[in-house]
Amino acid sequence: AQTVTQSQPEMSVQEAETVTLSCTYDTSESDYYLFWYKQPPSRQMILVIRQEAYKQQNATENRFSVNFQKAAKSFSLKISDSQLGDAAMYFCAYTRGGADGLTFGKGTHLIIQP
Amino acid sequence: AAGVIQSPRHLIKEKRETATLKCYPIPRHDTVYWYQQGPGQDPQFLISFYEKMQSDKGSIPDRFSAQQFSDYHSELNMSSLELGDSALYFCASSPPRGGTRYFGPGTRLTVT
Repeated sequence: AQTVTQSQPEMSVQEAETVTLSCTYDTSESDYYLFWYKQPPSRQMILVIRQEAYKQQNATENRFSVNFQKAAKSFSLKISDSQLGDAAMYFCAYTRGGADGLTFGKGTHLIIQP
Repeated sequence: AAGVIQSPRHLIKEKRETATLKCYPIPRHDTVYWYQQGPGQDPQFLISFYEKMQSDKGSIPDRFSAQQFSDYHSELNMSSLELGDSALYFCASSPPRGGTRYFGPGTRLTVT
């Protein structure tokens, strides 16, 4: 079974600084998708960024970028120029694709210090 | 842009009662997923439907059932409710051949 591990239960960063959230996963598949979702106090699940395993180029969305290391099965999220609105729980998630469900990590609670 | 719609947003039931949650996917999305998120937990996958057929199954209790209708909306039926069923229930949808799952706002179920 696939597993997703987020080893940092909580991270804190100063506003305008850069922070990196870690995620590792275990799979025997060669094609799959990885995601970072953000869950603010409203508990809405908001897509931050996605990465297809067959793409070597790391995904980027504005201030958010990933470091995807397929051989190491690592998928970290870098948030640049942190803003107060970035404060949330961040979940790393994996799926083989198709109609398969997502497997989530336990989450990292990100605190932004003003 | 249209989002996933879930109803009701809040639901209070007593033990042993039945609840029905509804999900309306983003237009032209053909796959629907259900997740359960307990307090302080990560979301747990329950079940998915592709083109109205059950596709993948996760940790869905036997007391729960779901289906996807001809208009692609989906319903999660929960019977013999237990206190432990109190959670946030998310529906998500994805487009044809698309990997991204877009989540609805969730239904908060409280069982007393």
